[in-house]
Amino acid sequence: AQKITQTQPGMFVQEKEAVTLDCTYDTSDPSYGLFWYKQPSSGEMIFLIYQGSYDQQNATEGRYSLNFQKARKSANLVISASQLGDSAMYFCAMREAAGANNLFFGTGTRLTVIP
Amino acid sequence: DAGITQSPRHKVTETGTPVTLRCHQTENHRYMYWYRQDPGHGLRLIHYSYGVKDTDKGEVSDGYSVSRSKTEDFLLTLESATSSQTSVYFCAISAPVGTTWGNEQFFGPGTRLTVL
Repeated sequence: AQKITQTQPGMFVQEKEAVTLDCTYDTSDPSYGLFWYKQPSSGEMIFLIYQGSYDQQNATEGRYSLNFQKARKSANLVISASQLGDSAMYFCAMREAAGANNLFFGTGTRLTVIP
Repeated sequence: DAGITQSPRHKVTETGTPVTLRCHQTENHRYMYWYRQDPGHGLRLIHYSYGVKDTDKGEVSDGYSVSRSKTEDFLLTLESATSSQTSVYFCAISAPVGTTWGNEQFFGPGTRLTVL
């Protein structure tokens, strides 16, 4: 079974609007972390936001927030006030406390911001 | 920015030749990883290291070997490159979960490898 599922291959959003990128995960480890990365056309992986499985509050970093619904095993990324520079691939990833501490990635969502 | 460099950044090689990619970090992080990125697959773990001379296999390790003789360097070797190993390769580093930087995994700039 896939550990991370991103069901939206592509999304469009109007500049200055908010957009939600979906992510669901699957793990039996009670301790885990959820990450979102941005990959612009230049190719680098840029860390955006982190949510720990025991965190009570949803994580926020500037215009990025993570809508963490533990019972549903979802960790959606919300980008508020979209900017043209937000156009990129976005990857959701999970890290389990047990094992290698590596990240399991989803297949990504390509976000296009329309002026 | 985390100090991670990869070399080379681009390489074109022929089937059957050996290839070594280098990852160098200046953060003194314990964990180092090699991932490959292919369309439709996201990033997948090839090998990882949890200390000097301590390495283990990831999800897609066939055809690859690694070595880590110093904390700062992690080498990925394709013993005999095949066209299916054409990909973008990312190195990543992290501290153990629960430490100050344990909640982040930093990536290098990537190496684009083409095997003809």
